[in-house]
Amino acid sequence: KAGVTQTPRYLIKTRGQQVTLSCSPISGHRSVSWYQQTPGQGLQFLFEYFSETQRNKGNFPGRFSGRQFSNSRSEMNVSTLELGDSALYLCASSSLDYREQFFGPGTRLTVL
Amino acid sequence: DAKTTQPPSMDCAEGRAANLPCNHSTISGNEYVYWYRQIHSQGPQYIIHGLKNNETNEMASLIITEDRKSSTLILPHATLRDTAVYYCIVGGTGTASKLTFGTGTRLQVTL
Repeated sequence: KAGVTQTPRYLIKTRGQQVTLSCSPISGHRSVSWYQQTPGQGLQFLFEYFSETQRNKGNFPGRFSGRQFSNSRSEMNVSTLELGDSALYLCASSSLDYREQFFGPGTRLTVL
Repeated sequence: DAKTTQPPSMDCAEGRAANLPCNHSTISGNEYVYWYRQIHSQGPQYIIHGLKNNETNEMASLIITEDRKSSTLILPHATLRDTAVYYCIVGGTGTASKLTFGTGTRLQVTL
């Protein structure tokens, strides 16, 4: 079974731009969660989508948004990029019982 | 969600057992203990989880104290590939998709 895939793996943007990251969960998984990892703040939960609905949300500004499609693939969008948005963005999928999450390799975003 | 306390770093000789402690004194009755690890520059990897009973799988064993206020992850025969940051997380099944990662324990396995 294929793992969680994320595209692109690396991205460089400038301040003020927006970016869209994509995540394809493991086949059959309907829950997709997004996390941000920075050296200063560590791993922080952004939001979770289940069956195309946002079900949990972390403490991030409204510039961070996401969506999920009917095939469970998910995208997250960051608008008006700031230097502090430079981070590794991780996506994880889980099955119905939520016992474990399977993480993708992440997208490393650099904002210049 | 309950918070956890882990030592920032530990060393272990290859081939020996690595015992990683975690304190979660404010854990509530329906919260599980999850362990994940993150090898440098990769996404976190699920290791094991438990509620009150000790658990074992092909990767590790999880020992939870009777009062559930602390637990220990045991890697029975550590290898160099086990060098990683290990995270102990507590949460209910309803929040298992919203993991709250702490700073973890950086385990260094040496020859």
